[in-house]
Amino acid sequence: EPEVTQTPSHQVTQMGQEVILRCVPISNHLYFYWYRQILGQKVEFLVSFYNNEISEKSEIFDDQFSVERPDGSNFTLKIRSTKLEDSAMYFCASSLAGTTNEKLFFGSGTQLSVL
Amino acid sequence: QKEVEQNSGPLSVPEGAIASLNCTYSDRGSQSFFWYRQYSGKSPELIMFIYSNGDKEDGRFTAQLNKASQYVSLLIRDSQPSDSATYLCAVRDTGTASKLTFGTGTRLQVTL
Repeated sequence: EPEVTQTPSHQVTQMGQEVILRCVPISNHLYFYWYRQILGQKVEFLVSFYNNEISEKSEIFDDQFSVERPDGSNFTLKIRSTKLEDSAMYFCASSLAGTTNEKLFFGSGTQLSVL
Repeated sequence: QKEVEQNSGPLSVPEGAIASLNCTYSDRGSQSFFWYRQYSGKSPELIMFIYSNGDKEDGRFTAQLNKASQYVSLLIRDSQPSDSATYLCAVRDTGTASKLTFGTGTRLQVTL
């Protein structure tokens, strides 16, 4: 069964460093998303992306964050200068279409620890 | 601020019983509703979705939606220890590529 894959599974970084989280969405999907979940808290939306553009972003997704689809398969989330509060599990998701009824499928996540 | 509310639990049910998980949402414009299961340290896994008022059944799972009451529920019949997990209710707005808003989840424990 097709799945969303994320690398790395764990990332440890020093505060102020840049990190790039990588995702390979399901191959025929067109809409891509990043969510995050701080330990013990709810899953929070960060950004949605379609046709090489951001469709929607949350208040969390400030200037320190960026997304890119550098080639036909990868979808990346970059955090330019990490803060302690960026420590969380980051989930990539994709969907075939962007309609309201469309199902989102999540990757296994990258656990980011900022020291 | 759109809210999705769930009782955090834990909800403890004996093996073989019916587990009933509830969720309320604040935005009347919400159109589609999803239940995800999340094991500790793992990603959300979609188990049910519902768009229309009423019941929708899939195997041991039944989702129920009442838009007038802004209420969605998930019933798990013949609960198994492997069903022990956190169940996340998620609500999606209208619009293209619209985001899912998640509740905090209800932790379900199925006891032997």
